[in-house]
Amino acid sequence: NAGVTQTPKFRVLKTGQSMTLLCAQDMNHEYMYWYRQDPGMGLRLIHYSVGEGTTAKGEVPDGYNVSRLKKQNFLLGLESAAPSQTSVYFCASRLTGPRYGYTFGSGTRLTVV
Amino acid sequence: AQTVTQSQPEMSVQEAETVTLSCTYDTSENNYYLFWYKQPPSRQMILVIRQEAYKQQNATENRFSVNFQKAAKSFSLKISDSQLGDTAMYFCAFRDETSYDKVIFGPGTSLSVIP
Repeated sequence: NAGVTQTPKFRVLKTGQSMTLLCAQDMNHEYMYWYRQDPGMGLRLIHYSVGEGTTAKGEVPDGYNVSRLKKQNFLLGLESAAPSQTSVYFCASRLTGPRYGYTFGSGTRLTVV
Repeated sequence: AQTVTQSQPEMSVQEAETVTLSCTYDTSENNYYLFWYKQPPSRQMILVIRQEAYKQQNATENRFSVNFQKAAKSFSLKISDSQLGDTAMYFCAFRDETSYDKVIFGPGTSLSVIP
């Protein structure tokens, strides 16, 4: 019972490099989310998806792109990494309906130098 | 605007004792949902407990219970018989009934359980 799996767990990028973070869930959840967590800033929503083939912007979408080609996967892309994108990234998913809480992945610690 | 406040940045409790973490929120909505999440040093956030605003009965999950005061817009978490594994950051969160994306997280309370 894997839940939400994020890969990689750690990554160091140079400024200007690109990368993709993968989130996979095996719970048949419709809704998936990408958050970033920074000290003193709490959790901030980057992008989210309410179903396969759909994506929407959250609170801090600039510099990121996402895709949800398959229901179980939600990819977060950084096209040209900047030091301001150094953060811990969390993927989450949930069942349809506002009463349901999130199931989170274990996070990806990204450092951009 | 909806806000969530956790006024205790850090707390500590002796093992086996009881501790209460505070959370207040501000909303004009009548129907909404409140959550407590735990983030241990391992980093993964885990849902601890959930409360629906239309339910008067306070939610309970084993050693975790809430004191939900709708009129006061207060949602505190009580941890009974604290264990070392309860050491973590605890986040209070709010979602209104119509929201897909707008979950408001509080700033968190760092709880240390002392042996």
